[in-house]
Amino acid sequence: TAGITQAPTSQILAAGRSMTLRCTQDMRHNAMYWYRQDLGLGLRLIHYSNTAGTTGKGEVPDGYSVSRANTDDFPLTLASAVPSQTSVYFCASSDSFHPTTDTQYFGPGTRLTVL
Amino acid sequence: QQQVKQSPQSLIVQKGGISIINCAYENTAFDYFPWYQQFPGKGPALLIAIRPDVSEKKEGRFTISFNKSAKQFSLHIMDSQPGDSATYFCAAGMNSGGSNYKLTFGKGTLLTVNP
Repeated sequence: TAGITQAPTSQILAAGRSMTLRCTQDMRHNAMYWYRQDLGLGLRLIHYSNTAGTTGKGEVPDGYSVSRANTDDFPLTLASAVPSQTSVYFCASSDSFHPTTDTQYFGPGTRLTVL
Repeated sequence: QQQVKQSPQSLIVQKGGISIINCAYENTAFDYFPWYQQFPGKGPALLIAIRPDVSEKKEGRFTISFNKSAKQFSLHIMDSQPGDSATYFCAAGMNSGGSNYKLTFGKGTLLTVNP
């Protein structure tokens, strides 16, 4: 079982360009999440999805959009990248949206540099 | 407003020693307190978690101590090993309305265990 896969592993992007970070899970989990990790700031939630067809905003949603067309995929799109979006992005999933019973499993991350 | 405060930022411990990482939270609505371990280049992985109805939870060399009245919880790593060297994140979770349940992470502690 692969768990969660993210692509690409890393990317250098020119400011103003758009990009989609891909996330796929094979655990049939209902909930999925996107976090960004910045040195000294920990993990901050960007967007989440309770189940296929629904999405919600996290702590730092500006400049990002997501979609959840099916259970397995949860892509994150940057419409017009800015240097402040340079970060490591982690996708996560859990079996239900109440993590007291279900762990959040994280992918390996995508390191994005916006120049 | 930082809802989960984690300290120290970094910690150096000798092999065999005890590593202690502390977290404090403000919102009494939090009802789930996990600790995540992250190795360089990897995504975070759940290490151990506790609910506020117990004051301590132990799994092997890892123990969470929870003080509800003080709104503090800590991770103790007994007999610390070089392989424990990683970044540790505390988190706090709560239902933020409807089926929305979110984790708020601390900023992380970089633990180095010297041989």
